[in-house]
Amino acid sequence: GNSVTQMEGPVTLSEEAFLTINCTYTATGYPSLFWYVQYPGEGLQLLLKATKADDKGSNKGFEATYRKETTSFHLEKGSVQVSDSAVYFCALSDQGYNQGGKLIFGQGTELSVKP
Amino acid sequence: DVKVTQSSRYLVKRTGEKVFLECVQDMDHENMFWYRQDPGLGLRLIYFSYDVKMKEKGDIPEGYSVSREKKERFSLILESASTNQTSMYLCASSLSRPEQFFGPGTRLTVL
Repeated sequence: GNSVTQMEGPVTLSEEAFLTINCTYTATGYPSLFWYVQYPGEGLQLLLKATKADDKGSNKGFEATYRKETTSFHLEKGSVQVSDSAVYFCALSDQGYNQGGKLIFGQGTELSVKP
Repeated sequence: DVKVTQSSRYLVKRTGEKVFLECVQDMDHENMFWYRQDPGLGLRLIYFSYDVKMKEKGDIPEGYSVSREKKERFSLILESASTNQTSMYLCASSLSRPEQFFGPGTRLTVL
């Protein structure tokens, strides 16, 4: 069945460091891929998405590219800030983008950025 | 902006109690979802609904039921709470696209 695997956390970085959070997936068909972020004490917010192979999603300095050949959707940011400290979830949809469907989430990766 | 609200941020209940968690969305979304979030396990889907009075089981429906009498409201019911249901519960809604909008969560403790 469909699944998402993220690198384990916590990830601890200094401010202005480069961030990579790895995400790989297993899916049949052509899922859409998402990164959600959860700040302390809050629900999840959509950070970025990609709906087909080679698409790059970007938002707030974060980027991720949908790589079908490696079944990956790694999250990157060139220079993290303390305010980026949060839990990051990779997710895929189980149907095509215009068909709605459910999301399947990875286990989450906690990021802590120190000043 | 889409707003998804949940009835309580924190809840403490006793083993065996019947527990209701309420979720309301204000954007006329067709789809609503209930998840539980546990450390190291990510989000696991409990139940979802694609329409009023319609419900489908997710990955971990045991011990839970749901109700959707109105489009904007989706309730999660723990018929007889147990300590292993202590968790963070997240509600979400969506239109026909897969992006989901989440509420702030309810942290439930069952003693």
